[in-house]
This record gives sequence, C-alpha cells and structure tokens, in this order.
Amino acid sequence: QQQVKQSPQSLIVQKGGISIINCAYENTAFDYFPWYQQFPGKGPALLIAIRPDVSEKKEGRFTISFNKSAKQFSLHIMDSQPGDSATYFCAASNNAGNNRKLIWGLGTSLAVNP
Amino acid sequence: DTGVSQNPRHKITKRGQNVTFRCDPISEHNRLYWYRQTLGQGPEFLTYFQNEAQLEKSRLLSDRFSAERPKGSFSTLEIQRTEQGDSAMYLCASSANRVGQGNTGELFFGEGSRLTVL
Repeated sequence: QQQVKQSPQSLIVQKGGISIINCAYENTAFDYFPWYQQFPGKGPALLIAIRPDVSEKKEGRFTISFNKSAKQFSLHIMDSQPGDSATYFCAASNNAGNNRKLIWGLGTSLAVNP
Repeated sequence: DTGVSQNPRHKITKRGQNVTFRCDPISEHNRLYWYRQTLGQGPEFLTYFQNEAQLEKSRLLSDRFSAERPKGSFSTLEIQRTEQGDSAMYLCASSANRVGQGNTGELFFGEGSRLTVL
C-alpha cells in the first residue's frame, strides 16, 4: 500500500523550461509535505516544504502548489537548469506519536537538457 | 557543523558476514533516523531514536538488524548474517525537536553507506 503516489517516474525538460512533478496522498492526517532532491551517490537534501494551511510556497525557482481538497501537491521548477538534473522525492508526514516518520513517493528522475 | 556523517561510505561483504554502520548526527539534534534505499526507490523507514531511546522499529527491521544510540549522540546499525537482499544504501538522518511544538519533520540526511552483499 503506497500512501504517497508520485508521477511521472521520469521527466526530460529543455534548459529554461518548467519541470512539474506531482504527488497525491491518501492520509488526511498528513500535515507536512517536503520535497527532497537527491544526486547520484548522495543522500536526499531538503529542497522545499509546505504545510496544509497554505496553497503555495515559493523559494527561488522552486514552487510547491498544494490542493488540500484533492489531496495533491506538486513541485514546479521554473527556468530549469542542467544542474537541476537529479531525482526528486515528495514525502508526507504527520505528528502522530510525535514521530515525524516520512512516507516517501517513489521518486522522479529529472534530466534537463542543455 | 559539517552535517550528518556516515561511515563507511561503501562496504562489500560476503553473505553471512556481519556489518556495522555508524552515523554521527548534527550536534544537538536529538532525533535520529535510519532509512534504507534501494535503486529506483524512495527511502524506507527502518527505525528512529529520540536521544538514546529507540522509539519505533519498522517491520522491515528483522531480528538480524539492530540499532543503538548508547549516549544519545552517534548511532550504529548492525546487520548480522547478511543476505544478498540486504544490499542497499543505508541512510541516516537527524532532526531537531522543538520542545512544545513537536518535530518540524525537517530531516537532514547523511550521504549514506552503500552495502553490497556478494
């Protein structure tokens, strides 16, 4: 049972284009939705995160859009650069038991062509 | 602070051998997590410590796996009698606990320890 579904599995974008990755969740108790970026051979690094009390959060070229009623959230990378080529994971967690155990999507492999 | 440190970065072992990984979290982070990641998958939760107390263990963590955090600082993950299916990247993460507000969920990951079981 996968509680966080991520799509697409892979994505190819031209330099300067917009990369869009989508995630859907099932557990309405989730209250924290981070996106992680992972380069080959490295651990995941937190990119941006959102809580359900806002519908959008922007940090530089990265924006999270959040739709609570649809139980969906997405990552938009504006002006995509070759250096953005990495695997992106969405995740979700809730504060049940005060354990911030993250439930992860399966990841999206992004390639930005120069 | 240099972030979460894990070693060894790579370990190749023969089936049936024991291996141990070490994680040094960001100083003053009292929460420490172990995750396992296989190729093409997201990290899977294994276990979690708050200070020295191991508060949760995944069903993925068979009795061949044991994790400790004896002084509430560094942690070790030991795998006994390794099997080929144990081949994976073992990731450690730490986070701070904001007293009274619960954990923010911001995990800081190390670069992982890659295990290959032949």
